Amino acid sequence: KAGVTQTPRYLIKTRGQQVTLSCSPISGHRSVSWYQQTPGQGLQFLFEYFSETQRNKGNFPGRFSGRQFSNSRSEMNVSTLELGDSALYLCASSWGQGGTDTQYFGPGTRLTVL
Amino acid sequence: SQQGEEDPQALSIQEGENATMNCSYKTSINNLQWYRQNSGRGLVHLILIRSNEREKHSGRLRVTLDTSKKSSSLLITASRAADTASYFCATDETGRRALTFGSGTRLQVQP
Repeated sequence: KAGVTQTPRYLIKTRGQQVTLSCSPISGHRSVSWYQQTPGQGLQFLFEYFSETQRNKGNFPGRFSGRQFSNSRSEMNVSTLELGDSALYLCASSWGQGGTDTQYFGPGTRLTVL
Repeated sequence: SQQGEEDPQALSIQEGENATMNCSYKTSINNLQWYRQNSGRGLVHLILIRSNEREKHSGRLRVTLDTSKKSSSLLITASRAADTASYFCATDETGRRALTFGSGTRLQVQP
């Protein structure tokens, strides 16, 4: 099976812009979770989508949003970018919901906000 | 917020030696998982241990879980240079249904 893929791998944006990141889960997986990784805060949970519904959300402002399509592919959007949004954004897919199951991570999208 | 605290933060050993990393957490959990990350890349799942399990093995990996002490350990035996990476524990807290990651241990294996 192909692994989790994320596009783009690298992205440079300026403050105030918005960005959309994409994640394609492993075939058959219904859950997609998004995480932000920064040197200061470590790995933090953003949100999880299961069968096209957001099932869980982390402690992030409303500028961070996402959605999941019927084929389980997911996108996350960050509006009005801030310098502090520079991070590695990781998505993970699993068959079961949330952390109940092994999560398989993609390679990440490295976002730099200037 | 981070639930897990990992100890040590950094570990440097010689090839062939064993490496032990510890993880402590604060709330009740359904399972605890260990992941490896190579230099800013994606995470690779290593092992999942459920709250009713005490020990699990996978190849050169041995994981223990003590729910009474809210702690887990990961032992890598006969380490190799290729084991150089950051290792994270992640907990599935009861009722949360999302992984909460620890701060990680950076392991350096010297050839």
